[in-house]
Amino acid sequence: NAGVTQTPKFQVLKTGQSMTLQCAQDMNHEYMSWYRQDPGMGLRLIHYSVGAGITDQGEVPNGYNVSRSTTEDFPLRLLSAAPSQTSVYFCASSYSPGYSGNTIYFGEGSWLTVV
Amino acid sequence: KNEVEQSPQNLTAQEGEFITINCSYSVGISALHWLQQHPGGGIVSLFMLSSGKKKHGRLIATINIQEKHSSLHITASHPRDSAVYICAVWRHGNKLVFGAGTILRVKS
Repeated sequence: NAGVTQTPKFQVLKTGQSMTLQCAQDMNHEYMSWYRQDPGMGLRLIHYSVGAGITDQGEVPNGYNVSRSTTEDFPLRLLSAAPSQTSVYFCASSYSPGYSGNTIYFGEGSWLTVV
Repeated sequence: KNEVEQSPQNLTAQEGEFITINCSYSVGISALHWLQQHPGGGIVSLFMLSSGKKKHGRLIATINIQEKHSSLHITASHPRDSAVYICAVWRHGNKLVFGAGTILRVKS
């Protein structure tokens, strides 16, 4: 098992550029999610999905787009990058969210800088 | 006010000391995670609990649902325990909400 795989690990973007952060899991998890981590703010939910074809917004969805066409993949798209999107991004997955006994697995993180 | 509050924000301990990190939350939850994050990023779930107490090695986690409070204890702390410890709660509705984290440094 590879677990949760995120790419790229590091990326520098210019303001206005678009890009996609990739996230894949091989554990057949229904639930996948994206978070951003900023100093002093902790982790915040951007978007999440409870299964293929189903996505919903989290706490900070503006400027980001997601889709879930397969169980395995949950890419995060930055539509027009802004310096405020400079952050560390984490993808995570779980078999059944919030159900005791089903833990959550995180990717290793993607460091994004927008200049 | 944040929905999940952790204390302390920073903690320095001597090797061997007993450590307690606290988490209070203000919303209804289905379960709570204690997460560990080492410098460089990686986040690992140490515990997920919805009631009572769990133990894994030198780590113990407790939760009191009525009081909306959880604690993470580390017995016989070691420098390799130095990390950020994050409390996160599953709100009803599939959303994970995080505390700001506790930065722990254990000195030898």
